[in-house]
Amino acid sequence: GAGVSQTPSNKVTEKGKYVELRCDPISGHTALYWYRQSLGQGPEFLIYFQGTGAADDSGLPNDRFFAVRPEGSVSTLKIQRTERGDSAVYLCASSLMGWEPGSRRTEAFFGQGTRLTVV
Amino acid sequence: KQEVTQIPAALSVPEGENLVLNCSFTDSAIYNLQWFRQDPGKGLTSLLLIQSSQREQTSGRLNASLDKSSGRSTLYIAASQPGDSATYLCAVLNAGGTSYGKLTFGQGTILTVHP
Repeated sequence: GAGVSQTPSNKVTEKGKYVELRCDPISGHTALYWYRQSLGQGPEFLIYFQGTGAADDSGLPNDRFFAVRPEGSVSTLKIQRTERGDSAVYLCASSLMGWEPGSRRTEAFFGQGTRLTVV
Repeated sequence: KQEVTQIPAALSVPEGENLVLNCSFTDSAIYNLQWFRQDPGKGLTSLLLIQSSQREQTSGRLNASLDKSSGRSTLYIAASQPGDSATYLCAVLNAGGTSYGKLTFGQGTILTVHP
């Protein structure tokens, strides 16, 4: 596609429920990032994929959070037993490669985000 | 651990002014620095990317500089317009330590340009 696409754009769920957030990266981009942004804050890193594998998942806050990218393109962020504190905007970004010094391949492009509200 | 700080947190200026937004980072081991714009309720739009070997990048009325050794970047906006009102975020792509490979963001500067 022309850009990074995230669905749904808005999600309201009840406390304790399970949710899935989807990210379609730019075609051909091998690196994919998930971030979480609370009101008035900068984006907070969650997890980074290079291809199908999670290169770094150190930002996932606890074991209720899990993300997959089985075919190296679309990624799904899964949250179990949601809590009110999970309410935030979840942002996805992709880049052509993870990084390559001196190259514009490292530029990250972001989707519009999914606004998750846990009530 | 990389930390990114943006100053000021908020800025309100009259239309037509030239302005400077500041970004500092604690670990100079970076691949690049990227400036983004975020409109309320929207995602991030990339404005400028400066590789670690570069000193500045320009796009239209925007100019970004990078001094990697001192851990600083500035975003200069010339002849500001009300349409420039948004939150501006800087982010570094880390090249070392426990932050390797991650984009670390500042908290952003909320810019308001009034007519």
